[in-house]
Amino acid sequence: KAGVTQTPRYLIKTRGQQVTLSCSPISGHRSVSWYQQTPGQGLQFLFEYFSETQRNKGNFPGRFSGRQFSNSRSEMNVSTLELGDSALYLCASSIPNAPDGTSTDTQYFGPGTRLTVL
Amino acid sequence: DQQVKQNSPSLSVQEGRISILNCDYTNSMFDYFLWYKKYPAEGPTFLISISSIKDKNEDGRFTVFLNKSAKHLSLHIVPSQPGDSAVYFCAASLGEGNKLVFGAGTILRVKS
Repeated sequence: KAGVTQTPRYLIKTRGQQVTLSCSPISGHRSVSWYQQTPGQGLQFLFEYFSETQRNKGNFPGRFSGRQFSNSRSEMNVSTLELGDSALYLCASSIPNAPDGTSTDTQYFGPGTRLTVL
Repeated sequence: DQQVKQNSPSLSVQEGRISILNCDYTNSMFDYFLWYKKYPAEGPTFLISISSIKDKNEDGRFTVFLNKSAKHLSLHIVPSQPGDSAVYFCAASLGEGNKLVFGAGTILRVKS
């Protein structure tokens, strides 16, 4: 079974631009979460989507947004890029257990998208 | 407020010996714990997990121990191999919305 895929793998943008990152979960996985990894802050949760709805959100400004499509694929968007947005953006997918989608199931990560803001 | 802490930034172990990586947490509501291994420029790879209703889970060379009263978990790797050299992250979940809270990571170096 194919793993989580993320595109693009590398991206260079300039301050003020906006960027869209894409994530395709493992087949059959319906929950997609996004994380930001930086040397200073480590791995931090951005948001999680299940059934095209954002269920949980981390402590990031509104410039960070996302969405999920009916096929469970997800995109995240960062508008008005700042230098501090340079990071590895990771997507993870899982299969929720309960009918309402709540789960403690393991999250499987993609390779990430390395975003550099100049 | 760092809810999950890995206080050892790095650990060096001889091949064949035991590696013990430690993790402490502050939120008693965490009910699921995971260990991930990460190489540079790659996403974290899941290693092993444990539910808060258990105190031990074993998978091959990897064993995770959970001490709820001490809010402490540890990952034991026996025997350690050079290919185990990587950054190891401890993560905890509240079980809602799949939000994982990660520790800062521990760099493990296994010397041959």
